[in-house]
Amino acid sequence: GQNIDQPTEMTATEGAIVQINCTYQTSGFNGLFWYQQHAGEAPTFLSYNVLDGLEEKGRFSSFLSRSKGYSYLLLKELQMKDSASYLCSGVDSNYQLIWGAGTKLIIKP
Amino acid sequence: IAGITQAPTSQILAAGRRMTLRCTQDMRHNAMYWYRQDLGLGLRLIHYSNTAGTTGKGEVPDGYSVSRANTDDFPLTLASAVPSQTSVYFCASSGGGSSGANVLTFGAGSRLTVL
Repeated sequence: GQNIDQPTEMTATEGAIVQINCTYQTSGFNGLFWYQQHAGEAPTFLSYNVLDGLEEKGRFSSFLSRSKGYSYLLLKELQMKDSASYLCSGVDSNYQLIWGAGTKLIIKP
Repeated sequence: IAGITQAPTSQILAAGRRMTLRCTQDMRHNAMYWYRQDLGLGLRLIHYSNTAGTTGKGEVPDGYSVSRANTDDFPLTLASAVPSQTSVYFCASSGGGSSGANVLTFGAGSRLTVL
């Protein structure tokens, strides 16, 4: 079956760095998305990886290892506004999105 | 502002009633989707449409129907609501049509409670 696993909740301190991991099992693979969702709001796009390696966008970076079925989202210089859920989504061979349940990130001052 | 508009924002509904959630986008995106989001679960696809005039079933289509008469509108209908359909419903769209891994733009969501 197809599955996305990510931790349910993580806590980090303002100004620190946090890494949110995601492992995936999909029928075929056409990339992996990360979305951010603030409480009560819509998910918004953060990153898309289809090749192995690290992609950096300001304070946020996303890493992919296709051989390990693994990705992570790295958030640096954490700000209180980064408190949100982070959704990992794999794209299967039919270009269907398989979604994880999301990781709720709590930032403490 | 370009994007997706969903209505209503929130609704409480008696079981057995019919309900239509509206979704309109102004980005001229080909593909549109309806998801439900429940606590502890990932987003689950209900129905989708790759282009105007076509629709398809997602992971959890039972009890729901959709139509796509034009590019902009993609309403979701619950013919006879049941309590298990209590959820937050998100409409989304993407510009790539039926192929490619395309970024989704989501509406703000419709919170539905069925009593």
